[in-house]
Amino acid sequence: DIQMTQSPSSLSASVGDRVTITCRASQGIRNDLGWYQQKPGKAPKRLIYAASSLQSGVPSRFSGSGSGTEFTLTISSLQPEDFATYYCLQHNGYPSFTFGPGTKVDIK
Amino acid sequence: QVQLVESGGGVVQPGGSLRLSCAASGFTFSSSGIHWVRQAPGKGLEWVAFIRYDGSNKYYADSVKGRFTISRDNFKNTLYLQMNSLRAEDTAVYYCARRGISGSPDYWGQGTLVTVSS
Repeated sequence: DIQMTQSPSSLSASVGDRVTITCRASQGIRNDLGWYQQKPGKAPKRLIYAASSLQSGVPSRFSGSGSGTEFTLTISSLQPEDFATYYCLQHNGYPSFTFGPGTKVDIK
Repeated sequence: QVQLVESGGGVVQPGGSLRLSCAASGFTFSSSGIHWVRQAPGKGLEWVAFIRYDGSNKYYADSVKGRFTISRDNFKNTLYLQMNSLRAEDTAVYYCARRGISGSPDYWGQGTLVTVSS
């Protein structure tokens, strides 16, 4: 089974900060990776698909990069509505998928 | 717009059964594979099951294999999850999510809470 790790597990940041979250896969997954944002009591929302493609309607301050085993989600200028938990998801092993453990972004 | 609405959650005793439903609208349901995903209180997300667009193939996580059954009715635009022999560790919010063209789930329902407790 493909295992996913994320770092950091949590971070504190201020509005306007640049934030970077890293996700690593235990084996190569090409670009079969998505990034999701989840707020308390809500369903996950897809931000990025295919590692670097921006989901329609998602602000351009969100970007994704990487391929193979290492991936990054970047928020170029953190906004108040961005405080949430972020998960990566690998779907290389059709049809199942595995989430990373999550990164909680809160206010410094 | 794409909508997925889960229902059927509740409190059930260990060993009991429950059937969840997921009503879909705003897209061609019969052309889309659908997942069930769950999230235990305060925990991360876990894939549970998947059914292909036509119901021809079904897949399960090891943790639920033999106890849960995924099915769909393409005439009613509805997905189901029959859960038997429930355990305390099945307590979670259950989400249905559409498989997107890229392979990752794109749209999610709001979730329904299942609590297994005596």
